[in-house]
Amino acid sequence: KNEVEQSPQNLTAQEGEFITINCSYSVGISALHWLQQHPGGGIVSLFMLSSGKKKHGRLIATINIQEKHSSLHITASHPRDSAVYICAVWSNYQLIWGAGTKLIIKP
Amino acid sequence: DGGITQSPKYLFRKEGQNVTLSCEQNLNHDAMYWYRQDPGQGLRLIYYSQIVNDFQKGDIAEGYSVSREKKESFPLTVTSAQKNPTAFYLCASSIARIQGHGNQPQHFGDGTRLSIL
Repeated sequence: KNEVEQSPQNLTAQEGEFITINCSYSVGISALHWLQQHPGGGIVSLFMLSSGKKKHGRLIATINIQEKHSSLHITASHPRDSAVYICAVWSNYQLIWGAGTKLIIKP
Repeated sequence: DGGITQSPKYLFRKEGQNVTLSCEQNLNHDAMYWYRQDPGQGLRLIYYSQIVNDFQKGDIAEGYSVSREKKESFPLTVTSAQKNPTAFYLCASSIARIQGHGNQPQHFGDGTRLSIL
């Protein structure tokens, strides 16, 4: 079993829909990262969380340390949000990466 | 603007050939990393460096080598010993990679896609 599991693996939605991507982990962590990988391959860091909730524009990230679970939400989704969203956790002095969720937003 | 530059974007390797992937950063970051990405899998750490002239093996270092002669540069050589080198390679950096600093974001380059001829 992978230490970081993301769901769903693939998600297709219509423009405007509210999107939720989930990340569950089985190890103790000091921080959790959400990143976005564009079709060309470049990766951008979106959020770094150790507790609670963070918001940036239409993106919201939450984490529940007790349940070892984090969610990334996108409000009013747009085709330009189409990308792979990756969760990674910092545990035992290393980053452990999820396999990513491929999101496609159709106009 | 500060950032990480990887080159080339696409690279082809012949049998028995070593190839070197370039990674340069102007963020003044101490720590640099090389990751390999295969379809459907999470990133896997190849090598990392916390400081100039020092580097450590990651989870999949066999068949790869690195150097860190300058703070700005962390080239990765894919040697002929790496039997399955076809993958997407990403370089990243962060301010530091020391105890208790896992809450720092990593900055990534745009990647190099390596294929076998």
